[in-house]
Amino acid sequence: QKEVEQDPGPLSVPEGAIVSLNCTYSNSAFQYFMWYRQYSRKGPELLMYTYSSGNKEDGRFTAQVDKSSKYISLFIRDSQPSDSATYLCASTDSWGKLQFGAGTQVVVTP
Amino acid sequence: NAGVTQTPKFRVLKTGQSMTLLCAQDMNHEYMYWYRQDPGMGLRLIHYSVGEGTTAKGEVPDGYNVSRLKKQNFLLGLESAAPSQTSVYFCASSAPETQYFGPGTRLLVL
Repeated sequence: QKEVEQDPGPLSVPEGAIVSLNCTYSNSAFQYFMWYRQYSRKGPELLMYTYSSGNKEDGRFTAQVDKSSKYISLFIRDSQPSDSATYLCASTDSWGKLQFGAGTQVVVTP
Repeated sequence: NAGVTQTPKFRVLKTGQSMTLLCAQDMNHEYMYWYRQDPGMGLRLIHYSVGEGTTAKGEVPDGYNVSRLKKQNFLLGLESAAPSQTSVYFCASSAPETQYFGPGTRLLVL
């Protein structure tokens, strides 16, 4: 069983809607949580990084971590067609080896 | 500043052939990684290095070898390619709080 689980989707939303993505993890030692965005035929790029529990906001993106339930979320407000990509969550207990989810494919339709 | 670069971008091998994938980073990072990405599996760590001259096994190391002779380079070798090694290979290097990924190498083993 993978240490980070993520629904692969695809998740299709109309332009302007809120995209809600989530992952669960099993390792209680994880304390760093990340979301990566990957466009087709490109390498992943870091979107958001959170340490321990709490919320973090960056423009249209909000990352949430609930360590009590081992739940990681990413919300994208006012979604745009350019947000169509695969979103990967990742976690680790110390900087070095990340555990990635399988990735969720998001399609934002005009 | 090129970030993380990978060579080659695409390669076709026959079963049993060998090849080396090259990763180079110009950010002076100590940590470097090799991942493979397969549909529905997300990113899986093959090998990683915490500094020049060091290497360690990741989640799926069998059939691969690595070397880190210079800090800026991390090589991934396939001694005898198998069809199961058909995948997209990503190299990454890390500073605290993030990993930077290369553009990927698509490998097809026939």
